[in-house]
Amino acid sequence: DQQVKQNSPSLSVQEGRISILNCDYTNSMFDYFLWYKKYPAEGPTFLISISSIKDKNEDGRFTVFLNKSAKHLSLHIVPSQPGDSAVYFCAAGEYGNKLVFGAGTILRVKS
Amino acid sequence: NAGVTQTPKFQVLKTGQSMTLQCAQDMNHEYMSWYRQDPGMGLRLIHYSVGAGITDQGEVPNGYNVSRSTTEDFPLRLLSAAPSQTSVYFCASRTPTGLATEAFFGQGTRLTVV
Repeated sequence: DQQVKQNSPSLSVQEGRISILNCDYTNSMFDYFLWYKKYPAEGPTFLISISSIKDKNEDGRFTVFLNKSAKHLSLHIVPSQPGDSAVYFCAAGEYGNKLVFGAGTILRVKS
Repeated sequence: NAGVTQTPKFQVLKTGQSMTLQCAQDMNHEYMSWYRQDPGMGLRLIHYSVGAGITDQGEVPNGYNVSRSTTEDFPLRLLSAAPSQTSVYFCASRTPTGLATEAFFGQGTRLTVV
């Protein structure tokens, strides 16, 4: 029973274009959501987060959108760069509780 | 500024052997956890701890033990290794437990059980 789902195993985007990574969740108790980026042979690193009281959070080229009614969030990367090629994990949690991760999406940015 | 340190980075075990994966953090984080990463499965929580002396099970705890005698260390023990435990293991920490803070991850331990 996956509480956090990333239905696209991979995504390929041209350099300079927008990358959109999607994530769905089932647990309405989740209070905050995070995106992590992971390069091969490294641990995941935190990218951006959003609280359930917001619908958008922006940090440079990265924007996360949250649609609570649809239990859906997305990560937009604009413009995409070759260095963005990595695995992106969506995670969700309740305040003070453990994080639940999705299966990840492999992003390839072609130059 | 070490952050979260995991040792070893690589390990090969024979079926039935036991071993301990080490995890140490120097950020005084209360919350520590162990995940395993398998293809198509993402990061699945094995065990976690909200402070010294307190541990609890995650999604996939069978075959693993943990203890938390200090704030800094959170070792993961494989009691009798099985091929199904071949995976990449990540330790993570964050604080404080009451707020929505991000977790910091170690670089991982790649374990192969033959």
